[in-house]
Amino acid sequence: DAKTTQPTSMDCAEGRAANLPCNHSTISGNEYVYWYRQIHSQGPQYIIHGLKNNETNEMASLIITEDRKSSTLILPHATLRDTAVYYCIVRVRDNAGNMLTFGGGTRLMVKP
Amino acid sequence: DTGVSQDPRHKITKRGQNVTFRCDPISEHNRLYWYRQTLGQGPEFLTYFQNEAQLEKSRLLSDRFSAERPKGSFSTLEIQRTEQGDSAMYLCASSLATGEGLGYTFGSGTRLTVV
Repeated sequence: DAKTTQPTSMDCAEGRAANLPCNHSTISGNEYVYWYRQIHSQGPQYIIHGLKNNETNEMASLIITEDRKSSTLILPHATLRDTAVYYCIVRVRDNAGNMLTFGGGTRLMVKP
Repeated sequence: DTGVSQDPRHKITKRGQNVTFRCDPISEHNRLYWYRQTLGQGPEFLTYFQNEAQLEKSRLLSDRFSAERPKGSFSTLEIQRTEQGDSAMYLCASSLATGEGLGYTFGSGTRLTVV
């Protein structure tokens, strides 16, 4: 699976959009971009995933650049409960092992 | 509750003792995973099952670690002769082998402290 690079930490004001970047310059054509988050003392939670088109669900939006070498997770109106570590993972959707490889993630702090 | 359940939530044990953790996945999920997470790090893959078959094990899974998933339902992870370096959060997750999303559902983990 391709390696990802994320900032170690970010701050965001409550109510504002949180934009979390992820670089995955070695991504292959059959690799998807997945985002998970982990709130303190809980297991990681799936947020969203995409291949090349932008995606939106009830939690977030995922913007993938045209060359697919980077992406941005957008939380449109961040709340205090969005404070968590956000992991960007790139992987083949149906790889044999089907396991996730987590990096260090971005620690997002939403401040009042 | 239709989520992934892990038991116990916390375990404190003395070095050298054996410990066993249990994971109950989402009932229709045929894949089950174990991960380990140390403070400040992302989760690291340990092993996974498809139904009752253990299909892959990480190099992190030393011979002191053993995992089972009898009948393809719940799973147990046993650590024998625990060491202080085994102190970590042990996370279980489940998923369907195929299908849309392929999002894992994680449990809340078992936090092991070896003293």
